[in-house]
Amino acid sequence: QSALTQPASVSGSPGQSITISCTGTSSDIGDYNYVSWYQQHPGKAPKLIIYQVSSRPSGISIRFSGSKSGNTASLTISGLQAEDEADYYCSSFRSSNSVIFGGGTKLTVL
Amino acid sequence: QITLKESGPTVVKPTQTLTLTCIFSGFSLTTSGVGVGWIRQPPGKALEWLALIYWDDDKRYSPSLKTRLTVTWDTSKNEVALTMTNMDPVDTATYYCAHTHSNGDAFDMWGQGTRVTVSS
Repeated sequence: QSALTQPASVSGSPGQSITISCTGTSSDIGDYNYVSWYQQHPGKAPKLIIYQVSSRPSGISIRFSGSKSGNTASLTISGLQAEDEADYYCSSFRSSNSVIFGGGTKLTVL
Repeated sequence: QITLKESGPTVVKPTQTLTLTCIFSGFSLTTSGVGVGWIRQPPGKALEWLALIYWDDDKRYSPSLKTRLTVTWDTSKNEVALTMTNMDPVDTATYYCAHTHSNGDAFDMWGQGTRVTVSS
């Protein structure tokens, strides 16, 4: 099954805002509000930062926000900090009763 | 406090069957809405969802790997196992188990992962 489509890399300067897109189909993102986002630092396990499109787990900074329009979900990080430099993955429930991840986006804080 | 930890062989030979165990604490798999999933990540590559078992024994599998995967839950222990048959070098990856609970199959707690290498 094809992965959700994410840009390979994005970058931004400290204090700026960046947005990472995640494009799927009408069989996943377009039809379900079950989009999640994960942050992964090198050598570490992924960490959930957004679930059900725009909800933040307890303890996650309000600088992280999620949204969805049609078949595309987005993660926005405002007030970029050096510690935000990591890989980011989106995921979605899919109509085949499965979960699909995106290809990942490497965020570089300049 | 929810914790999960994966265990299993670090090296398997091609065509062999891999069995990984996820030992968890801090939650019960008998609680409505709770699930344990398996996700893997080849070196330098993206996450790939493999399987998920829910509190009511509902089991879901990746469509592309469905014929090779089995997920089971030892109800006498806090353990979930994943079996993958006919291993191939392309299955070399870090394998994670993770917890989900009524949040749209989002994994809110992860194990540290276990690296599995497939090599003769």
